[in-house]
Order: sequence, then C-alpha cells, then structure tokens
Amino acid sequence: DAGVIQSPRHEVTEMGQEVTLRCKPISGHNSLFWYRQTMMRGLELLIYFNNNVPIDDSGMPEDRFSAKMPNASFSTLKIQPSEPRDSAVYFCASSPRDYGYTFGSGTRLTVV
Amino acid sequence: RKEVEQDPGPFNVPEGATVAFNCTYSNSASQSFFWYRQDCRKEPKLLMSVYSSGNEDGRFTAQLNRASQYISLLIRDSKLSDSATYLCVVNNADKLIFGTGTRLQVFP
Repeated sequence: DAGVIQSPRHEVTEMGQEVTLRCKPISGHNSLFWYRQTMMRGLELLIYFNNNVPIDDSGMPEDRFSAKMPNASFSTLKIQPSEPRDSAVYFCASSPRDYGYTFGSGTRLTVV
Repeated sequence: RKEVEQDPGPFNVPEGATVAFNCTYSNSASQSFFWYRQDCRKEPKLLMSVYSSGNEDGRFTAQLNRASQYISLLIRDSKLSDSATYLCVVNNADKLIFGTGTRLQVFP
C-alpha cells in the first residue's frame, strides 16, 4: 500500500496566485481530512469528507479556501488568492470506517 | 480555551530516564483518545490509543481520567530515538482534534 499521497511536496508561490494541493487517500478509506500545521497554531482541521461528501468545513479559514472530492481516490484543496499568512504545512489524512488516521507526507506551502 | 492543551516543553532528558507528558481536554463528550508522534518535518503517526483502564505498549503507558478530563503518557527507559513531538489527540464527533504537542529531546 502506497499510503496517502500528497502533491506537491513543496510549493513556493507569489501572493495573489492560485494554489492547488492534491491528495490521493488510501484505497478503501471512506473518510478524508485536510489539516494545516503552523508553529503558532499546531494542527488545525480545515475540512473533512465522508464517502466523498463534505461533512464539516467549519475549519476553513475563509472564502479563499475551497476543497473538493470528486471521487473516492482524489481530493484537492485550493487557495485563491493566496496570501503570505497561508504559509504552512498542509496535511491530508484518510481513515477507514473505524478510526485510524493515516497522514500523507504533507505539502509545505510558502507564499511570498 | 483550546480544546486540547499540552505543555509545549521542551523536555530534555538523559537516556534511560522516565518522562511523563500530560494533556487536558475541554469537551466532556469526547469519545476516544490517542497519542501521536511527529518527527521533525514529518507527518504525525499514531503511537497508541488511550483507554479508560490505562494501557501499556512496551515502554509506553497511557492513562485517561475522564472525570478530570486528563490524559497522560509515560515513557520509561528513554531512547535517543524517542526524541520527537508527542501530540495528544481527542476524537470529537468523528473529528480528531490535536494538541499543539510536547517536544521531547533525549540526550546521551
């Protein structure tokens, strides 16, 4: 099993640009989670999906952030327009019906 | 108030020492509890679940006090490889809520 796959591993972009982060969950896992990690705030849950349906997006910071899960094997997190305060590590995690989150390696985003 | 609170540390201990981390959570309806480990510039990984009766996995012992809303992790006979950040995690309504972590540094 390849685990949760995220891309890109690193992203450097200019303020105002659109950024798209990608995630492929573990096959058979029915829940997918997007987290953001910073030194100041730790790991924050942004949004999660259950069976491809968004269940709770209360952690999405503002309208500049959006997430989709068009099928069971792919999800995107988009930031448009990006701002320097969005700089963080973004993790995707997936889980089967019972608990047991497996995290991807993360995308380190720097907005300059 | 944060949902999950931990002492950020760092805890600097010599090899062979015993070290304990504590964590408190605010939601009394929380359903399940975990400790995750995160190495520098890596993703978090599940270390162990925490059960009401307390549970042990080798050198690691986890305990839960629901009345006080308090979770602990004890590491005996610390190894250099135990150096990492330990995250206290609470399951609220099928969402894992993470503490900001306690950093442990084990020195020779």
